Amino acid sequence: SSELTQDPAVSVALGQTVRITCQGDSLRSYYASWYQQKPGQAPVLVIYGKNNRPSGIPDRFSGSSSGNTASLTITGAQAEDEADYYCNSRDSSGNRWVFGGGTKLTVL
Amino acid sequence: QVQLQESGPGLVKPSETLSLTCAVSGYSISSGYYWGWIRQPPGKGLEWIGSIYHSGSTYYNPSLKSRVTISVDTSKNQFSLKLSSVTAADTAVYYCARLWFGESDDAFDIWGQGTMVTVSS
Repeated sequence: SSELTQDPAVSVALGQTVRITCQGDSLRSYYASWYQQKPGQAPVLVIYGKNNRPSGIPDRFSGSSSGNTASLTITGAQAEDEADYYCNSRDSSGNRWVFGGGTKLTVL
Repeated sequence: QVQLQESGPGLVKPSETLSLTCAVSGYSISSGYYWGWIRQPPGKGLEWIGSIYHSGSTYYNPSLKSRVTISVDTSKNQFSLKLSSVTAADTAVYYCARLWFGESDDAFDIWGQGTMVTVSS
């Protein structure tokens, strides 16, 4: 399968923990990467590989994977974390990339 | 630091060819990495278009493959996108990005700011 499935919307209370998930057959073979996108801005990489954060990404962002599901967890969500989040991975062929449909995170 | 900058016409007529260039600064394309194009229609999600290695090896989204050409010019340190026979469905913000390509993990680690392309007569 070349598809990655995400919940369209998730909400979290300020300071609480939220998990955003991404499902797809290719995730059994390849790690997902995660991108944060705020309105009018380009996406920003927040997690890649097993659980790697680029420089400058707060450590409240973490990643995990089990079977065909990858997860992005925000521990202690902040108001500035309100954004769209996209997962990305190679498809089962190994040489094409696919994005999930995106999850809109609302911080209450 | 590494920066990517897209450039090209903001308006393209239906049935014509969309052409964009991504200029890379702070890093030599010849040194490695893959480079890619991603687009986002207004109000919608991200769609991978294709990726290229500095040697010229390319990978394309199967849904666009018949219309897409991505090329690299190492002498100018830039790579380009051509999308032929465009329709209104190709209206989108087009991003270029650097693709770190690992054995089982990879990531688009640096992105351009994006350029809006509208297909309209």
